[in-house]
Amino acid sequence: EMQLVESGGGLVQPGGSLRLSCTASGSDFNNYWMTWVRQPPGKGLEWVANIRQDGGEECYVDSVKGRFTISRDNAQNSLYLQMSSLRAEDTGIYYCASDRGHSFHFFDYWGQGTLVIASS
Amino acid sequence: IVMTQSPATLSVSPGEGATLSCRASQSITNQLAWYQQKPGQAPRLLIYGASSRATGIPARFSGSGSGTEFTLTISSLQSEDFAVYSCQQYHHWPLTFGGGTKVEI
Repeated sequence: EMQLVESGGGLVQPGGSLRLSCTASGSDFNNYWMTWVRQPPGKGLEWVANIRQDGGEECYVDSVKGRFTISRDNAQNSLYLQMSSLRAEDTGIYYCASDRGHSFHFFDYWGQGTLVIASS
Repeated sequence: IVMTQSPATLSVSPGEGATLSCRASQSITNQLAWYQQKPGQAPRLLIYGASSRATGIPARFSGSGSGTEFTLTISSLQSEDFAVYSCQQYHHWPLTFGGGTKVEI
């Protein structure tokens, strides 16, 4: 079983940047695709981005393309989300999760989330 | 792909059964997952492949359907089952979730 802990959330002004981190333990991180999912306050879940085990493939939802970058460091068992040009609508809890990958992109293990607030 | 869940809220008494629906705007074959989320907690995977239970999920949770129509059935609700349930399709990019069904007492 994989344990995931997110960090890096906080309050940022619109147009600003933030880098989220997710540290994994308990399982072979480099065997999993990984994903970021977000949840605006009081609303439903939205998939944001995912990345292949070797970092060689990344996918993004259209609303964050060109502004967010997902990356990973397998040696550090870590996943990242670099967010720039943040907008109010990016506000929410950001969860990292393991992703089965290989055309089966659902999410087995989840972190507890980190809150991002884009507001002036 | 737009995922539509109904009803938005379902009021059920403990011990009763519940049937939740999820509809896809186009066919997703059986590539559907269900998640449970309690207040202040992360989602938990319940079902994948429309009908396969994830590890450790009790047998009272069952999923069915294919194409565009899917159902999550909870037989004999326990107190710990009152939560929000969301479906997610993984047949098309981008991956998308339904808006959720809140199961309340």
